[in-house]
Amino acid sequence: SAVISQKPSRDICQRGTSLTIQCQVDSQVTMMFWYRQQPGQSLTLIATANQGSEATYESGFVIDKFPISRPNLTFSTLTVSNMSPEDSSIYLCSVGKPPDYGYTFGSGTRLTVV
Amino acid sequence: QQPVQSPQAVILREGEDAVINCSSSKALYSVHWYRQKHGEAPVFLMILLKGGEQKGHEKISASFNEKKQQSSLYLTASQLSYSGTYFCGTERNDYKLSFGAGTTVTVRA
Repeated sequence: SAVISQKPSRDICQRGTSLTIQCQVDSQVTMMFWYRQQPGQSLTLIATANQGSEATYESGFVIDKFPISRPNLTFSTLTVSNMSPEDSSIYLCSVGKPPDYGYTFGSGTRLTVV
Repeated sequence: QQPVQSPQAVILREGEDAVINCSSSKALYSVHWYRQKHGEAPVFLMILLKGGEQKGHEKISASFNEKKQQSSLYLTASQLSYSGTYFCGTERNDYKLSFGAGTTVTVRA
């Protein structure tokens, strides 16, 4: 399975600012997924990042708030823009190769907005 | 659409068994199971495919009833290392997973 390096691991940000989260994968993958997990809650898919095309966003998430870049098959970034305290959460990237393997998750970015 | 997972929590003593259930109102292509320990990322346990094929590892088994769109994860002879939150993830042949609310498993000595 793939190995993902995600950073930063945590950050405390002022409201109104933006934070960019990076995920680097040790192998080429077609699709990369970005999730949000509120403490003690389940994982919610934000968007799917495909290399060479626009990211596709799930209901309730928009590109202006969560712009995504996917410059190549091993790297992606998620930006949380114009942050408010409601954006405080854990953000995770994920890649996989179903059905042979499940999905591997990055270690997560714990974001606190003050 | 988020699958329904039950129970919400279970407490076991070492060696005891437990079953976690996951159901969906939509036709499924596959069901995944993950375990997440506190402060860590979810870790893949098993995938169950439409047609009955299973791929996974560890001493944990699962089943997938395609007609009922239900899956069950069986924790047999539980060990302390089994503690964590278990999530099912359902896929409708688009590689996107919808995760259940999770089941917190606590195994005590």
